[in-house]
Amino acid sequence: AQSVTQPDIHITVSEGASLELRCNYSYGATPYLFWYVQSPGQGLQLLLKYFSGDTLVQGIKGFEAEFKRSQSSFNLRKPSVHWSDAAEYFCAVADRNDYKLSFGAGTTVTVRA
Amino acid sequence: EAQVTQNPRYLITVTGKKLTVTCSQNMNHEYMSWYRQDPGLGLRQIYYSMNVEVTDKGDVPEGYKVSRKEKRNFPLILESPSPNQTSLYFCASSSSTGGTEAFFGQGTRLTVV
Repeated sequence: AQSVTQPDIHITVSEGASLELRCNYSYGATPYLFWYVQSPGQGLQLLLKYFSGDTLVQGIKGFEAEFKRSQSSFNLRKPSVHWSDAAEYFCAVADRNDYKLSFGAGTTVTVRA
Repeated sequence: EAQVTQNPRYLITVTGKKLTVTCSQNMNHEYMSWYRQDPGLGLRQIYYSMNVEVTDKGDVPEGYKVSRKEKRNFPLILESPSPNQTSLYFCASSSSTGGTEAFFGQGTRLTVV
């Protein structure tokens, strides 16, 4: 069964600093990979997704993620965070033949001024 | 506007009193699912439906029921709620296997006392 690990429960970063959120997955083949963001009191919004091809994926709000097959990782990055990036971030995987999304436990990002 | 609508957004109920959380999507999606979100556990799938009259258990189905009589609606039913079902619930829909974006509702915060 597929699983997702987000090793960092909580990250605090200064506004303007770079951000990297880690995600490792366990799956027999290359799954579909996603990053979602949940702002306080809101539902989940898709930031970006990886299906195949270029391993560096660009998303919304200035985020990008890099798929590394050898490390079973799909880390999310942003070069310069804004106060509005304070949220909870979820990495998710999906089987290529299934609808189901399996989520990591999430990483809460706090942005300090 | 494409959206998934859940109601109610907030609900406080007592142990044993049956309740239904509604979910409706306007995107003609085949696949719908329910998740619960708990701190440190991320989102876990409760039930899913691949189309009208086709439903199946997810990872944590105990204590829940669902139905899919119409394509757009996928209600979550708690026949006899218990305090351990206090959680944040999300409904999601998507159009095909694995690779397409899942759209999430705004969430329902349920408290069972």
